[in-house]
Amino acid sequence: GESVGLHLPTLSVQEGDNSIINCAYSNSASDYFIWYKQESGKGPQFIIDIRSNMDKRQGQRVTVLLNKTVKHLSLQIAATQPGDSAVYFCARRAGGYNKLIFGAGTRLAVHP
Amino acid sequence: GAVVSQHPSWVICKSGTSVKIECRSLDFQATTMFWYRQFPKQSLMLMATSNEGSKATYEQGVEKDKFLINHASLTLSTLTVTSAHPEDSSFYICSAQEGPYTFGSGTRLTVV
Repeated sequence: GESVGLHLPTLSVQEGDNSIINCAYSNSASDYFIWYKQESGKGPQFIIDIRSNMDKRQGQRVTVLLNKTVKHLSLQIAATQPGDSAVYFCARRAGGYNKLIFGAGTRLAVHP
Repeated sequence: GAVVSQHPSWVICKSGTSVKIECRSLDFQATTMFWYRQFPKQSLMLMATSNEGSKATYEQGVEKDKFLINHASLTLSTLTVTSAHPEDSSFYICSAQEGPYTFGSGTRLTVV
């Protein structure tokens, strides 16, 4: 069935280090993926997206990698800062009406 | 950028009463909006897809008679939780497919 899952439920990093958050998906028909950041009590905030015809996309301090062969998605955050502490979700566009299916989420904790 | 305004941000109601949550697209027209529910430390679970001028499409396991969705205009979608019970206490979030997907700020519902 359709699902998007994550390998790591929590991730602790030192300030300044690079962070890598992973996500696996099961439906090979997925054509569009998004990474979101969610702070406590708030709605998801768009970080970066990637279409299935791409392997890599870069933004400001963030990079998304897509490996369609193994159905794996990752978010890399360079020089992680305390303000990056939040829960990160991957999401996949699916089905009619282009609904988004969310993964389980990874909590990123950045320590000084 | 696109903005979805969601109200109220939090609400407390008594068991057995109904609560209405509103989502408005402020600077664009939203033919389709999505409603999610999020329990503590869990991911966003899609409840239903709201379509302007037609019936909502509910995900499997979501009671359509309990979670009434109305999308009467291109800028307003509402979710009414009817006969609320404590187990309905959750964080409810709406989204529209605009820029690419824009989320409301969420509504914290507590049923006592």
